[in-house]
Amino acid sequence: AQSVTQPDIHITVSEGASLELRCNYSYGATPYLFWYVQSPGQGLQLLLKYFSGDTLVQGIKGFEAEFKRSQSSFNLRKPSVHWSDAAEYFCAVSKWSADKLIFGTGTRLQVFP
Amino acid sequence: DGGITQSPKYLFRKEGQNVTLSCEQNLNHDAMYWYRQDPGQGLRLIYYSQIVNDFQKGDIAEGYSVSREKKESFPLTVTSAQKNPTAFYLCASRDSQYSNQPQHFGDGTRLSIL
Repeated sequence: AQSVTQPDIHITVSEGASLELRCNYSYGATPYLFWYVQSPGQGLQLLLKYFSGDTLVQGIKGFEAEFKRSQSSFNLRKPSVHWSDAAEYFCAVSKWSADKLIFGTGTRLQVFP
Repeated sequence: DGGITQSPKYLFRKEGQNVTLSCEQNLNHDAMYWYRQDPGQGLRLIYYSQIVNDFQKGDIAEGYSVSREKKESFPLTVTSAQKNPTAFYLCASRDSQYSNQPQHFGDGTRLSIL
């Protein structure tokens, strides 16, 4: 069965510091991969997605993610974090399409000034 | 603006009562989904529908029911059989004509027990 692991429940960084959020998935073939962000009490907003091709994908708000097949990982990065990036981040995987998504348990990001 | 509207934002249920959460989209999407979110557990799929008048159970369908009579609407009923309904409920939709189109989410409904 597919699964998604986000090993970091909570991360704290200083504003301006770089950020990397980890995501590992379990699936035999190349899945469809997504990162979503959720502000408190709100829905999820898509940051970026990977289906095929270039393994480094660019998203909104200055985020990027790199697909590494050998490590079954799809880590999210940002070179310089802003206070407005404080939110919860979810990695998700799907088998054939963006239909049935399997979500990780999320990573809560706190940003200190 | 096109989007997904969930109402109400907050909902309270008495013991033994059924409640219905509304989800409306004007994105002309065929596929719609309901998720439940609990702290530390991510999102879990309750029901989904890929076309009008058809829907399938997700991973945690027990105690819930849905209908899909119109393309733009996918209401979720939390029945009295759902013993732990307190959670944040999210509705999503997707243009299923293309496999790489992502799911778009509403702003959620928070359900609490009185």
